[in-house]
Amino acid sequence: DIQMSQSPSSLSASVGDRVTITCRASQSISTYLNWYQQKPGKPPKLLIYAASSLLSGVPSRFSGSGSGTDFTLTISSLQPEDFATYYCQQSYSTPWTFGQGTKVEIK
Amino acid sequence: EVQLVESGGGLVQPGGSLRLSCAASGLTVRSNYMSWVRQAPGKGLEWVSVIYSGGSTYHADSVKGRFTISGDNSKNTLYLQMNSLRAEDTAVYYCARSPGAIGYMDVWGKGTTVTVSS
Repeated sequence: DIQMSQSPSSLSASVGDRVTITCRASQSISTYLNWYQQKPGKPPKLLIYAASSLLSGVPSRFSGSGSGTDFTLTISSLQPEDFATYYCQQSYSTPWTFGQGTKVEIK
Repeated sequence: EVQLVESGGGLVQPGGSLRLSCAASGLTVRSNYMSWVRQAPGKGLEWVSVIYSGGSTYHADSVKGRFTISGDNSKNTLYLQMNSLRAEDTAVYYCARSPGAIGYMDVWGKGTTVTVSS
């Protein structure tokens, strides 16, 4: 099975900050990497698919990059509504697997 | 409007069974990859099962042999049959749609809660 590892597990940031979250796969997954945002009590929401494709309707301050084993989610200017937990997910092979999550908190 | 609505959750004793349903509207279950993803209280997301548009099914090792994913085209509904339930199966269960082989999940239901306890 492919293991996904995110870092950091949590971070504190201020509105307007640039935030970067890293996701590493235990083996190459090409660009089969997706990013989700989840707020408490709500289902996950897809932000980025295929490593760098922004889902329609998602603000352009979100961006993704990477291929192979190392990937990054960047929020260029953190907004109040961005405080949430973020998960990466590989869809290269079953079992599909998620990272453990990165909680973005208000500083 | 594209919508997924889960139902069937509840309290069940260890060793018991439960069938979850996910009613789809605005999309056709048989034309998509449909998954179940769960989240234990205070924990992260765990992918559980997927059924491909061609009918192939895959399950996480943690539920293999106990859970079965299936779809009913006439009802446009996804199911998860859960047998031999354990305390560690306690979670919110979400159904989700992937439009194809790339495997991203772009439509999610609100979830249904399963509690396994005596």
